[in-house]
Amino acid sequence: AAGVIQSPRHLIKEKRETATLKCYPIPRHDTVYWYQQGPGQDPQFLISFYEKMQSDKGSIPDRFSAQQFSDYHSELNMSSLELGDSALYFCASSPGDRQETQYFGPGTRLLVL
Amino acid sequence: QKEVEQDPGPLSVPEGAIVSLNCTYSNSAFQYFMWYRQYSRKGPELLMYTYSSGNKEDGRFTAQVDKSSKYISLFIRDSQPSDSATYLCAMSAYEGGGADGLTFGKGTHLIIQP
Repeated sequence: AAGVIQSPRHLIKEKRETATLKCYPIPRHDTVYWYQQGPGQDPQFLISFYEKMQSDKGSIPDRFSAQQFSDYHSELNMSSLELGDSALYFCASSPGDRQETQYFGPGTRLLVL
Repeated sequence: QKEVEQDPGPLSVPEGAIVSLNCTYSNSAFQYFMWYRQYSRKGPELLMYTYSSGNKEDGRFTAQVDKSSKYISLFIRDSQPSDSATYLCAMSAYEGGGADGLTFGKGTHLIIQP
């Protein structure tokens, strides 16, 4: 079965640079969620989009922004990167607003030097 | 205090044993309760979800929710070495009209000894 696709899988950036992470949801899933997981930590919810509109907002820094496009893929834009932004970034998708059935992608590992 | 508390372990049991994993929570608005399995450096994999109180069984896995005690459990029967992973509980409060993010526990690292 098709799963959530995230790109790139690995990313290395310098402090103060910008990064863009991409997420392609499972076919026929129209809702996307973004999470950040630091080393040894649980995933922290950042933001979600339902039907291409922002739905819920968690602990997303003001330096980060995200959007969902007409084909339902989503991009997370991260600016002025800090060392503390180094983490695994997961995207999850669900059908409609069924947040109880969120399926996670493999993640993007971001390292900020 | 975190909204969701979960013993990080590690929890080590022999193959074939029954495993009990638990979480407690403080937010009475939580209505959906999920269990995810995460292997090292991989994305969380949805195992089961339940709504409100009650039990749900799926193969070797049974999820229980006791909303009066704010306590949820996942039982794994006939545990296998391939069950060795980190198990994360997750919860959400459905407020209608949108897709809410999940609140996770810290995860319990489970080791099944062959």
